[in-house]
Amino acid sequence: EPEVTQTPSHQVTQMGQEVILRCVPISNHLYFYWYRQILGQKVEFLVSFYNNEISEKSEIFDDQFSVERPDGSNFTLKIRSTKLEDSAMYFCASSRAGLNYGYTFGSGTRLTVV
Amino acid sequence: KNEVEQSPQNLTAQEGEFITINCSYSVGISALHWLQQHPGGGIVSLFMLSSGKKKHGRLIATINIQEKHSSLHITASHPRDSAVYICAVMYTGNQFYFGTGTSLTVIP
Repeated sequence: EPEVTQTPSHQVTQMGQEVILRCVPISNHLYFYWYRQILGQKVEFLVSFYNNEISEKSEIFDDQFSVERPDGSNFTLKIRSTKLEDSAMYFCASSRAGLNYGYTFGSGTRLTVV
Repeated sequence: KNEVEQSPQNLTAQEGEFITINCSYSVGISALHWLQQHPGGGIVSLFMLSSGKKKHGRLIATINIQEKHSSLHITASHPRDSAVYICAVMYTGNQFYFGTGTSLTVIP
């Protein structure tokens, strides 16, 4: 079964550093998403991406964050100048035709900011 | 508007028991998803519902649009079903709102 692949599985970074989280969505999927789950809390929506642009973003997704699909296969989330409170599990997801048609999550990247 | 309530928060069952997890939401939705989160953190999509009922193996999901309520049932539960089960709803737009999850432990 096709998978959404996320790398790395765990990343530790110093506060203030930039991190890039990488995702390879399923190849025929058109919609891409990033979610975040702080330890012990709910999963939260960050951003959705379609046709090479952001289609929707939450209030969490401020100027510190950016997304990109640099080469037609990878989908990246960049966090500039990380803060301690950015420590969380970050999930990528993709779907073929929007969320109403089902979607696939990646296994997540655990980001620890120290 | 964005409240998604799940119950119970924690559930312990004996192997073989029939399990029900509930989800309620406050306003009309366009879709509801049931998700399973494994102890390692990975998330698996189980069902997407906008009406009626769906079944996959031992899992059954139902939704009552009028009552703004959905249930996830597990028949003949097994220890490998132990996980956190999460309900997520989509209103208008393309954004999900997640419940806090129900932590299920099935004891052999």
